[in-house]
Amino acid sequence: GNSVTQMEGPVTLSEEAFLTINCTYTATGYPSLFWYVQYPGEGLQLLLKATKADDKGSNKGFEATYRKETTSFHLEKGSVQVSDSAVYFCALSDRAAGNKLTFGGGTRVLVKP
Amino acid sequence: SAVISQKPSRDICQRGTSLTIQCQVDSQVTMMFWYRQQPGQSLTLIATANQGSEATYESGFVIDKFPISRPNLTFSTLTVSNMSPEDSSIYLCSVEEVQGARYNEQFFGPGTRLTVL
Repeated sequence: GNSVTQMEGPVTLSEEAFLTINCTYTATGYPSLFWYVQYPGEGLQLLLKATKADDKGSNKGFEATYRKETTSFHLEKGSVQVSDSAVYFCALSDRAAGNKLTFGGGTRVLVKP
Repeated sequence: SAVISQKPSRDICQRGTSLTIQCQVDSQVTMMFWYRQQPGQSLTLIATANQGSEATYESGFVIDKFPISRPNLTFSTLTVSNMSPEDSSIYLCSVEEVQGARYNEQFFGPGTRLTVL
């Protein structure tokens, strides 16, 4: 079956530091990949997505590249802000599995001033 | 993208009681889903809410515990029945929109934070 593995948190950073959250996946088909963000007390928001190999998703300074050869979709941001403190979820959607979303365990990021 | 609202946003309930959570979408959608997020955990799919037919439940979830209604293409309810403290979670509904030939995109409601005493 499909699965998503992402690095465990919490990840604590200082403002303007570089952020990387690793995400790898296994899928039976050819999935689309997503990063969702959950700010404190809120629901999930789609942060970025990539639908095919070598696609780069980007939004709000965050980037992730779909790497089929390493089955990875690592999230990066060059300079984090306090407002980036949230829980980040990597997820995949596979048409072969009925388009159901499979989530990773989530990574809590705390950015300190 | 679809705008999704949920009621209530949070509730504190006594064990043995039931709570019905409502999910309203501002446009007609084919696919609606219910997820559970236990404290500090990731999201787990409970079921797919099918319009006009019984919901499709994932392994580990049953209709008697989590009855779901989907009377039309913009509304669904999830009931958490005979609650115990282990049911304390955030419950989220989501809808799927077709974005192209290769993938669909899911949008999530703000969630209902349930605490069972």
